[in-house]
Amino acid sequence: AQSVTQPDIHITVSEGASLELRCNYSYGATPYLFWYVQSPGQGLQLLLKYFSGDTLVQGIKGFEAEFKRSQSSFNLRKPSVHWSDAAEYFCAVVPIYNQGGKLIFGQGTELSVKP
Amino acid sequence: GAVVSQHPSWVICKSGTSVKIECRSLDFQATTMFWYRQFPKQSLMLMATSNEGSKATYEQGVEKDKFLINHASLTLSTLTVTSAHPEDSSFYICSARDLSGGGDTQYFGPGTRLTVL
Repeated sequence: AQSVTQPDIHITVSEGASLELRCNYSYGATPYLFWYVQSPGQGLQLLLKYFSGDTLVQGIKGFEAEFKRSQSSFNLRKPSVHWSDAAEYFCAVVPIYNQGGKLIFGQGTELSVKP
Repeated sequence: GAVVSQHPSWVICKSGTSVKIECRSLDFQATTMFWYRQFPKQSLMLMATSNEGSKATYEQGVEKDKFLINHASLTLSTLTVTSAHPEDSSFYICSARDLSGGGDTQYFGPGTRLTVL
């Protein structure tokens, strides 16, 4: 079945440590790829997106993501986590054939940051 | 990034009343907006797709007569929860689709917390 998978429901990292959040998708053609962040009681903020071109994408707040076609993955990374990065992170895709632009979301990964 | 606003940010109403939530794209035009519902500790559930000048498209299982959607302009979509009941209490989030520059990106509003007593 076509889906988006975030294998880690909850991750805890120490402040200053590096972070990698995993995202895999199962679609025949490479979809449009997105990472969003949601703080408690808030809407979603776009961190970065990939449509085509350079497979390493830079986003806001020091985040980056790398598209790997061979692994159907779009993992989110940050070299040094800050306490303010604690939030829920969603990977999402728009399948290429989906002219309506509906986003398909992963289950989300909750990030906790230890002082 | 593009900005989407939602109003109100929270609302408390009595059972049986109707509540209207507004979603506006502030710095771009959006022919398509989406309405989502989110339960605690869960991902977003798409309720409906709102298209400017035409009827909304509802996802399976969403009651179109209960959740009325109007997309009267390129910057405004409204969701009206009619005859609200406690089970309608939830966090409602809208997004607006930005197709400028050859892209296809949804920008989200801050959400509306609805509590039905």
